[in-house]
Amino acid sequence: LAKTTQPISMDSYEGQEVNITCSHNNIATNDYITWYQQFPSQGPRFIIQGYKTKVTNEVASLFIPADRKSSTLSLPRVSLSDTAVYYCLVGAQTGGFKTIFGAGTRLFVKA
Amino acid sequence: DADVTQTPRNRITKTGKRIMLECSQTKGHDRMYWYRQDPGLGLRLIYYSFDVKDINKGEISDGYSVSRQAQAKFSLSLESAIPNQTALYFCATSDQDSSYNEQFFGPGTRLTVL
Repeated sequence: LAKTTQPISMDSYEGQEVNITCSHNNIATNDYITWYQQFPSQGPRFIIQGYKTKVTNEVASLFIPADRKSSTLSLPRVSLSDTAVYYCLVGAQTGGFKTIFGAGTRLFVKA
Repeated sequence: DADVTQTPRNRITKTGKRIMLECSQTKGHDRMYWYRQDPGLGLRLIYYSFDVKDINKGEISDGYSVSRQAQAKFSLSLESAIPNQTALYFCATSDQDSSYNEQFFGPGTRLTVL
C-alpha cells in the first residue's frame, strides 16, 4: 500500500476555505484516494474518494493532479464543528480496501 | 454510526485476563474490520473479514484473535491482555458492492489493561 504524508496540524478561522494536501508518491495505477474525518472519541467518517481530476460532494472537494502523486482536500467555509483529524488513505478498491491510516492532519478552526 | 454497535464501550481489565470485544451491524455488509487507535495516532488494522468464512490478518494481529459468528457479528479477543494493548478499538463495515468501498465505523471501545 502506498504511503501517505500530510501535515500534522493546521489552523484556520471560521468561514475560510481550508486545503489539506496529501502526498502519495508511490501510488499504484489501481489505487484510489480516500479522505476520512474523525472527531475525538468517535470512529472515522468517510468524506470523499476519487481517482483523478476533481470530485465534489456536499461536504468537500478533492483535487487530484494528472500525476496523482498528491491530492488536496478542500473544505469550503469551515465552521468550528469542522475541527477534527483528517486522514488521507490510498489503496485499491478491487479485492477489498484494506485501509492503512496515517497520523492524519489535525485541523483546528478558531472563531 | 448507530448501524454499527460495539460492546462494551469501556472496559478496564488486568494483565493476563481474556477479553472479548463484540461488534454487530445492521447494514447488511459482508465486510468487517477491527482497528486499534493509540493516543495521537492513526488507526491500525488488526483483522478483517470479507465474509463469514473469510478471516485475514491485518497490520498488527499478534496477541489478538477474531471470530465471525455471522454476517452481522465480528468479535475481537485478547487471549491474555497486556498493558500495551490499552487503546481505543474500532469495528468497521463495508459493502463489497459499493463503488466507493466506504467503511462505516462503530463508536469504539476504550480498553484499559492494568
